[in-house]
Amino acid sequence: DGGITQSPKYLFRKEGQNVTLSCEQNLNHDAMYWYRQDPGQGLRLIYYSQIVNDFQKGDIAEGYSVSREKKESFPLTVTSAQKNPTAFYLCASSLTGSHSYEQYFGPGTRLTVT
Amino acid sequence: DQQVKQNSPSLSVQEGRISILNCDYTNSMFDYFLWYKKYPAEGPTFLISISSIKDKNEDGRFTVFLNKSAKHLSLHIVPSQPGDSAVYFCAASGGGSNYKLTFGKGTLLTVNP
Repeated sequence: DGGITQSPKYLFRKEGQNVTLSCEQNLNHDAMYWYRQDPGQGLRLIYYSQIVNDFQKGDIAEGYSVSREKKESFPLTVTSAQKNPTAFYLCASSLTGSHSYEQYFGPGTRLTVT
Repeated sequence: DQQVKQNSPSLSVQEGRISILNCDYTNSMFDYFLWYKKYPAEGPTFLISISSIKDKNEDGRFTVFLNKSAKHLSLHIVPSQPGDSAVYFCAASGGGSNYKLTFGKGTLLTVNP
């Protein structure tokens, strides 16, 4: 089955610790994205990557870092510099090229930092 | 500056009736629009989209209408079913080689049996 996997579903961390969220896709999509969802805020773009070894900051990149060493994988690190890390994090992927705007989402990771 | 706005946080309709979800945008460079459906603690799923060169796109019970002059789009669900109860997000893209989507804050639709 083709799709996007995110693990784990729930993650708990102590304040001051870095944490890495996993995102893997087997859809052969070139582009991958990270969003965070907060209550009443919709989805806000953190980072995106349109090709391996290249990525760009989204609207709320501060306190986050990413890597794109493989087409299938786009891990997100939430660093201790992120002031409000507790949120629901969503990974997505899409084709590139004309008429390729549909993004397919993973199931999400709920991160709680105390 | 919110470029995609869903001004109704929630909507409640009776089963079998029409649900109309609205979305407004401010960026005239947007040329592709999408609707996503999201259940709690799950990722959004793509529902339907429309290019700016069209004013209507239909897929089964779902129809999206685009009014470019008013910078407004709407999603019609007919007939509404209890399983349609979810949060609906409107999203827009600026086209070109930038595939970023800008999302609205969502509208919670409740379909009552």
